[in-house]
Amino acid sequence: QQPVQSPQAVILREGEDAVINCSSSKALYSVHWYRQKHGEAPVFLMILLKGGEQKGHEKISASFNEKKQQSSLYLTASQLSYSGTYFCGTVTGGGNKLTFGTGTQLKVEL
Amino acid sequence: DVKVTQSSRYLVKRTGEKVFLECVQDMDHENMFWYRQDPGLGLRLIYFSYDVKMKEKGDIPEGYSVSREKKERFSLILESASTNQTSMYLCASGRMNEQFFGPGTRLTVL
Repeated sequence: QQPVQSPQAVILREGEDAVINCSSSKALYSVHWYRQKHGEAPVFLMILLKGGEQKGHEKISASFNEKKQQSSLYLTASQLSYSGTYFCGTVTGGGNKLTFGTGTQLKVEL
Repeated sequence: DVKVTQSSRYLVKRTGEKVFLECVQDMDHENMFWYRQDPGLGLRLIYFSYDVKMKEKGDIPEGYSVSREKKERFSLILESASTNQTSMYLCASGRMNEQFFGPGTRLTVL
């Protein structure tokens, strides 16, 4: 079953912050975040393993709440280059495959 | 840089035709994956392979088969193409923790 992402779409002004959420109905082993720019292939951003850790680099970070079976991606001080579709992928306990959500379209405007 | 290439960017086929989509990676990865991407549905896993001649069904394998005769090459086969298989097909290779995607093949079945 696909994880549920919210919101489905968001428009930001440059410099604003955004949060993208990813929820699963099953116990999570790991959460993976990818970004796909228009017309390009998805690109790996980061992975979070169970343990409630937070990871990130520069202005994009993510958290993983194992109890709530959800992850959040935080984009701070957004830039035009952040525009694209963000996908979370989940591996559930005992599983051996990555299941992606339906994506969140993010558009950053001047 | 990891490179994943797909045989065609655009393909148009007729209903009932047998269709082959080819994917080649140059990083000696054990795992290779085939996804289809449809608006509003995200990335859905069709099949994956964790070794030569080994394959495993993903979430939507019906109507598809795969072949992996060499480590670097993973083929997706549509035995008898149907209009509901019109989609963007993405190949990926890598570990479960990080996948590298090809540019995609946009297949139209008339």
